[in-house]
Amino acid sequence: DTEVTQTPKHLVMGMTNKKSLKCEQHMGHRAMYWYKQKAKKPPELMFVYSYEKLSINESVPSRFSPECPNSSLLNLHLHALQPEDSALYLCASSQPDRLPQPQHFGDGTRLSIL
Amino acid sequence: AQTVTQSQPEMSVQEAETVTLSCTYDTSESNYYLFWYKQPPSRQMILVIRQEAYKQQNATENRFSVNFQKAAKSFSLKISDSQLGDTAMYFCASKYSGAGSYQLTFGKGTKLSVIP
Repeated sequence: DTEVTQTPKHLVMGMTNKKSLKCEQHMGHRAMYWYKQKAKKPPELMFVYSYEKLSINESVPSRFSPECPNSSLLNLHLHALQPEDSALYLCASSQPDRLPQPQHFGDGTRLSIL
Repeated sequence: AQTVTQSQPEMSVQEAETVTLSCTYDTSESNYYLFWYKQPPSRQMILVIRQEAYKQQNATENRFSVNFQKAAKSFSLKISDSQLGDTAMYFCASKYSGAGSYQLTFGKGTKLSVIP
Protein backbone atom coordinates (compact mmCIF):
# COMPACT_ATOMS: atom_id res chain seq x y z
CA ASP A 1 0.00 0.00 0.00
CA THR A 2 1.28 3.42 -0.94
CA GLU A 3 1.42 6.07 1.77
CA VAL A 4 1.16 8.84 -0.81
CA THR A 5 -2.19 8.78 -2.60
CA GLN A 6 -2.66 10.35 -6.02
CA THR A 7 -5.90 10.88 -7.88
CA PRO A 8 -6.92 10.28 -10.55
CA LYS A 9 -4.89 7.30 -11.73
CA HIS A 10 -5.50 8.16 -15.36
CA LEU A 11 -6.59 11.39 -17.01
CA VAL A 12 -7.33 12.17 -20.63
CA MET A 13 -7.95 15.78 -21.48
CA GLY A 14 -8.12 18.10 -24.42
CA MET A 15 -5.80 21.04 -24.87
CA THR A 16 -8.48 23.51 -23.83
CA ASN A 17 -9.59 21.71 -20.68
CA LYS A 18 -8.85 22.61 -17.09
CA LYS A 19 -8.20 19.78 -14.68
CA SER A 20 -6.40 19.16 -11.40
CA LEU A 21 -4.21 16.40 -10.08
CA LYS A 22 -4.37 15.67 -6.37
CA CYS A 23 -1.88 14.22 -3.90
CA GLU A 24 -2.37 13.40 -0.24
CA GLN A 25 -0.09 12.06 2.48
CA HIS A 26 -0.62 11.48 6.19
CA MET A 27 2.92 10.72 7.25
CA GLY A 28 3.46 14.16 8.74
CA HIS A 29 5.92 15.07 6.01
CA ARG A 30 6.40 18.80 5.47
CA ALA A 31 7.96 18.70 2.01
CA MET A 32 5.97 17.69 -1.05
CA TYR A 33 7.05 17.37 -4.65
CA TRP A 34 5.70 17.15 -8.19
CA TYR A 35 7.67 15.23 -10.80
CA LYS A 36 7.07 14.62 -14.50
CA GLN A 37 8.22 11.31 -15.95
CA LYS A 38 8.35 10.36 -19.60
CA ALA A 39 8.50 6.72 -20.63
CA LYS A 40 11.81 4.99 -19.88
CA LYS A 41 13.24 8.18 -18.37
CA PRO A 42 13.94 9.19 -14.78
CA PRO A 43 11.55 11.58 -13.04
CA GLU A 44 12.14 15.29 -13.59
CA LEU A 45 11.51 17.62 -10.69
CA MET A 46 8.87 20.30 -11.30
CA PHE A 47 7.98 21.85 -7.94
CA VAL A 48 8.85 21.54 -4.27
CA TYR A 49 6.78 22.82 -1.36
CA SER A 50 8.38 23.04 2.05
CA TYR A 51 6.15 23.88 5.02
CA GLU A 52 3.40 24.76 2.55
CA LYS A 53 5.56 27.36 0.78
CA LEU A 54 6.81 26.98 -2.77
CA SER A 55 10.56 26.40 -2.50
CA ILE A 56 11.52 25.26 -5.97
CA ASN A 57 9.99 25.89 -9.39
CA GLU A 58 12.14 24.29 -12.03
CA SER A 59 11.19 26.72 -14.79
CA VAL A 60 7.92 24.95 -15.38
CA PRO A 61 5.51 26.56 -17.89
CA SER A 62 2.69 28.56 -16.36
CA ARG A 63 0.10 26.13 -17.73
CA PHE A 64 1.08 24.04 -14.68
CA SER A 65 0.03 25.69 -11.43
CA PRO A 66 0.82 24.03 -8.08
CA GLU A 67 -1.07 24.58 -4.88
CA CYS A 68 -0.47 23.35 -1.33
CA PRO A 69 -3.65 24.01 0.70
CA ASN A 70 -2.29 22.35 3.85
CA SER A 71 0.51 20.11 5.02
CA SER A 72 -1.20 16.95 3.77
CA LEU A 73 -2.43 18.04 0.36
CA LEU A 74 -0.77 19.03 -2.89
CA ASN A 75 -2.56 19.92 -6.08
CA LEU A 76 -1.40 20.51 -9.63
CA HIS A 77 -3.78 22.59 -11.71
CA LEU A 78 -3.59 22.05 -15.45
CA HIS A 79 -4.76 24.42 -18.17
CA ALA A 80 -4.15 24.64 -21.90
CA LEU A 81 -1.72 21.76 -21.94
CA GLN A 82 0.20 20.62 -25.00
CA PRO A 83 0.56 17.08 -26.39
CA GLU A 84 4.16 16.97 -25.13
CA ASP A 85 2.82 17.30 -21.60
CA SER A 86 1.53 13.74 -21.82
CA ALA A 87 3.46 11.85 -19.14
CA LEU A 88 3.30 10.18 -15.75
CA TYR A 89 3.04 12.78 -12.98
CA LEU A 90 4.44 11.63 -9.66
CA CYS A 91 3.92 13.17 -6.27
CA ALA A 92 6.36 12.57 -3.41
CA SER A 93 6.83 13.67 0.18
CA SER A 94 9.66 13.77 2.72
CA GLN A 95 10.78 15.38 5.93
CA PRO A 96 12.76 18.55 5.16
CA ASP A 97 15.16 18.39 8.05
CA ARG A 98 18.91 18.18 8.15
CA LEU A 99 18.95 14.43 7.86
CA PRO A 100 17.08 14.14 4.60
CA GLN A 101 14.68 11.34 4.79
CA PRO A 102 14.08 9.57 1.48
CA GLN A 103 11.23 10.72 -0.67
CA HIS A 104 8.12 8.56 -0.66
CA PHE A 105 6.34 8.43 -3.98
CA GLY A 106 2.74 7.90 -5.00
CA ASP A 107 1.53 5.68 -7.84
CA GLY A 108 1.31 8.62 -10.20
CA THR A 109 -1.29 9.99 -12.57
CA ARG A 110 -1.00 8.94 -16.20
CA LEU A 111 -1.91 12.04 -18.19
CA SER A 112 -2.76 11.98 -21.88
CA ILE A 113 -3.36 15.18 -23.85
CA LEU A 114 -5.43 14.85 -26.98
CA ALA B 1 26.24 19.93 -9.14
CA GLN B 2 25.75 16.22 -8.90
CA THR B 3 25.63 13.68 -11.71
CA VAL B 4 24.64 10.02 -11.57
CA THR B 5 25.54 7.51 -14.27
CA GLN B 6 24.01 4.10 -14.83
CA SER B 7 25.88 2.47 -17.69
CA GLN B 8 23.62 -0.57 -18.13
CA PRO B 9 20.33 0.37 -19.86
CA GLU B 10 19.04 -3.20 -19.67
CA MET B 11 19.95 -6.38 -17.82
CA SER B 12 18.45 -9.80 -17.34
CA VAL B 13 18.95 -12.50 -14.72
CA GLN B 14 17.63 -15.99 -14.15
CA GLU B 15 15.28 -16.46 -11.26
CA ALA B 16 17.14 -17.32 -8.03
CA GLU B 17 20.44 -16.01 -9.39
CA THR B 18 22.37 -12.91 -8.29
CA VAL B 19 22.70 -9.73 -10.31
CA THR B 20 24.61 -6.48 -9.78
CA LEU B 21 23.51 -3.13 -11.13
CA SER B 22 26.19 -0.48 -11.44
CA CYS B 23 26.04 3.19 -10.58
CA THR B 24 28.69 5.87 -10.46
CA TYR B 25 28.24 9.42 -9.31
CA ASP B 26 30.09 12.66 -9.19
CA THR B 27 29.69 15.31 -6.53
CA SER B 28 31.74 18.06 -4.97
CA GLU B 29 29.84 17.73 -1.70
CA SER B 30 31.28 15.90 1.30
CA ASN B 31 27.90 15.06 2.84
CA TYR B 32 25.37 13.28 0.72
CA TYR B 33 23.03 10.35 0.52
CA LEU B 34 22.68 7.68 -2.13
CA PHE B 35 19.53 5.73 -2.97
CA TRP B 36 18.30 2.94 -5.17
CA TYR B 37 14.67 3.18 -6.25
CA LYS B 38 12.69 0.49 -8.00
CA GLN B 39 9.84 1.25 -10.41
CA PRO B 40 7.87 -1.83 -11.51
CA PRO B 41 5.33 -1.68 -14.34
CA SER B 42 2.77 -0.69 -11.70
CA ARG B 43 4.80 2.56 -11.84
CA GLN B 44 5.18 3.44 -8.16
CA MET B 45 8.72 4.48 -7.25
CA ILE B 46 9.74 2.32 -4.30
CA LEU B 47 12.80 2.96 -2.15
CA VAL B 48 14.95 -0.17 -2.14
CA ILE B 49 17.95 0.89 -0.10
CA ARG B 50 19.86 3.97 1.01
CA GLN B 51 23.41 4.74 2.04
CA GLU B 52 24.77 7.65 4.04
CA ALA B 53 28.08 8.78 2.54
CA TYR B 54 29.72 9.14 5.96
CA LYS B 55 29.09 5.47 6.78
CA GLN B 56 31.69 2.99 5.61
CA GLN B 57 29.50 -0.03 6.22
CA ASN B 58 27.53 -1.13 3.18
CA ALA B 59 23.75 -0.96 3.58
CA THR B 60 21.72 -4.17 3.41
CA GLU B 61 17.98 -4.77 3.15
CA ASN B 62 17.11 -8.45 3.00
CA ARG B 63 18.10 -9.66 -0.50
CA PHE B 64 19.37 -6.22 -1.52
CA SER B 65 22.81 -4.93 -0.66
CA VAL B 66 25.11 -2.23 -1.93
CA ASN B 67 28.82 -2.02 -2.60
CA PHE B 68 29.69 1.55 -1.72
CA GLN B 69 33.15 2.62 -2.82
CA LYS B 70 33.41 6.26 -1.80
CA ALA B 71 36.83 6.95 -3.27
CA ALA B 72 35.78 5.50 -6.60
CA LYS B 73 32.35 7.17 -6.34
CA SER B 74 30.67 3.88 -7.04
CA PHE B 75 27.37 2.62 -5.60
CA SER B 76 26.34 -0.73 -7.06
CA LEU B 77 23.24 -2.71 -6.08
CA LYS B 78 23.36 -6.46 -5.63
CA ILE B 79 20.16 -8.46 -5.74
CA SER B 80 20.46 -12.00 -4.40
CA ASP B 81 18.04 -14.85 -5.06
CA SER B 82 16.29 -12.83 -7.79
CA GLN B 83 12.52 -13.12 -7.89
CA LEU B 84 10.03 -12.44 -10.68
CA GLY B 85 8.74 -9.48 -8.68
CA ASP B 86 12.16 -7.83 -8.97
CA THR B 87 11.45 -7.11 -12.63
CA ALA B 88 11.45 -3.32 -12.81
CA MET B 89 13.34 -0.16 -13.72
CA TYR B 90 15.99 0.59 -11.13
CA PHE B 91 17.13 4.17 -10.59
CA CYS B 92 20.21 5.21 -8.68
CA ALA B 93 19.93 8.65 -7.08
CA SER B 94 21.99 11.02 -4.98
CA LYS B 95 21.05 13.89 -2.72
CA TYR B 96 23.06 16.54 -0.94
CA SER B 97 22.41 16.32 2.77
CA GLY B 98 22.59 20.00 3.62
CA ALA B 99 19.69 21.87 5.17
CA GLY B 100 17.11 23.03 2.67
CA SER B 101 18.26 20.59 0.04
CA TYR B 102 15.46 18.72 -1.66
CA GLN B 103 16.61 17.67 -5.07
CA LEU B 104 17.28 14.09 -5.99
CA THR B 105 19.64 13.58 -8.91
CA PHE B 106 18.63 10.43 -10.79
CA GLY B 107 20.56 8.23 -13.15
CA LYS B 108 18.91 7.20 -16.42
CA GLY B 109 17.87 3.85 -15.02
CA THR B 110 18.50 0.16 -15.64
CA LYS B 111 15.69 -2.07 -16.82
CA LEU B 112 16.00 -5.42 -15.06
CA SER B 113 14.16 -8.48 -16.30
CA VAL B 114 14.02 -11.62 -14.15
CA ILE B 115 13.58 -14.69 -16.32
CA PRO B 116 11.73 -17.75 -14.99
